[in-house]
Amino acid sequence: QSTLTQPRSVSGSHGQAVTISCVGSNPYDEFYTYVSWYQQHPGTAPRLIIFDVDKRPSGVPPRFSASRSGTTASLTISGLQLEDEADYYCCAPGVFGTGTTVTVL
Amino acid sequence: QIQLLQSGAEVVKPGASVKVSCKASGYTFNTHSFIWVRQAPGQGLEWMGWVNPYKQSTVYTQKFQGRVSMTTDASAATTYLELTGLTSDDTAVYFCARENYFASGSYFDYWGQGTRVTVSS
Repeated sequence: QSTLTQPRSVSGSHGQAVTISCVGSNPYDEFYTYVSWYQQHPGTAPRLIIFDVDKRPSGVPPRFSASRSGTTASLTISGLQLEDEADYYCCAPGVFGTGTTVTVL
Repeated sequence: QIQLLQSGAEVVKPGASVKVSCKASGYTFNTHSFIWVRQAPGQGLEWMGWVNPYKQSTVYTQKFQGRVSMTTDASAATTYLELTGLTSDDTAVYFCARENYFASGSYFDYWGQGTRVTVSS
């Protein structure tokens, strides 16, 4: 069973950028081509914000971007807004990441 | 518009079973698979398994094999999650999500609102 490890929390000031890493245990590179990212506010369902490693669904602001290198995927939020305070999860086939809480200072 | 509407909260006794439904609307039901995901209080998302309505096939996470069943009813555009032998560790919010596809993989673009299941005597 593969695992995806994320930092427990990251924080940044309003307007700054933060990056969340997602480190996988699966040694096969192809596994990470399927990475997607989800945002979850308290008491609500997760929301898709990134798919196919770096693509944004319509309606997701361009300040959300993502990339991948080897077995690590990363999500960057540029120009942090108060509404970006939430939990973020990476996802690959069969597994979700451990989750990261983003706090806007 | 596309929606996934889940059944209401459940309180069940230890050892019992629970069946949660997820009704899809706004698209052709059989063209997309679903996953079921749960979230225990204060915890992260846990992938439980995957169901394909067209092929009537399932893949369950090993942790749940033997006590989980995911089914679909195309006539009702509904997918179901049944979990048996419940313990307090199964207290969680259960989500369904629709799978969508791109050239080399998939993602989950629509989610149900969640169903809270509380296991308590």
